[in-house]
Amino acid sequence: DTGVSQDPRHKITKRGQNVTFRCDPISEHNRLYWYRQTLGQGPEFLTYFQNEAQLEKSRLLSDRFSAERPKGSFSTLEIQRTEQGDSAMYLCASSYSDPALGNEQFFGPGTRLTVL
Amino acid sequence: SQQGEEDPQALSIQEGENATMNCSYKTSINNLQWYRQNSGRGLVHLILIRSNEREKHSGRLRVTLDTSKKSSSLLITASRAADTASYFCATDADMRFGAGTRLTVKP
Repeated sequence: DTGVSQDPRHKITKRGQNVTFRCDPISEHNRLYWYRQTLGQGPEFLTYFQNEAQLEKSRLLSDRFSAERPKGSFSTLEIQRTEQGDSAMYLCASSYSDPALGNEQFFGPGTRLTVL
Repeated sequence: SQQGEEDPQALSIQEGENATMNCSYKTSINNLQWYRQNSGRGLVHLILIRSNEREKHSGRLRVTLDTSKKSSSLLITASRAADTASYFCATDADMRFGAGTRLTVKP
């Protein structure tokens, strides 16, 4: 399968613990996005990469959140000292940045985080 | 702030009826995209319309774009129960999403 994959699909953790999620984009895509989504809301932008460079980070993202894309392929999103308010679905998407193609995003299935 | 804002927030129709949802945005764009999300799943790209296009069709979907009003609409014709989902728009300017329109199609 050549779609976007995310791991794990579900994560339950205790408040104060650190968690790390992984996203594997479609291989030829140069852009990778992270979103957070809570029930009944749309995806909330967190950050995005073009190749290995993190080009934008939401001001809503606290210092407890960090994302990397070290080789311009897969990406990790780490949340330190988790809080109950971090419970959400974390979505990853990738795209090929090309004006002719329009930057269509392909989404992964998401990682559902529950912080107890 | 978010670029794409959808309305209505919720829409309930009978199978076979048409469903129309709207999207407004704030800045200049090259294109606008519509996505669908089934409950608990990731988003699926439906259709992209470029700024120099006014209307685009894909199967039972019809999208319009009015750049002077910074708005777009998505029409689903002859709706089916399987169309029940949330629908979102996003622009290429920043790929932000609004709260979406939750469509329920009753069999």
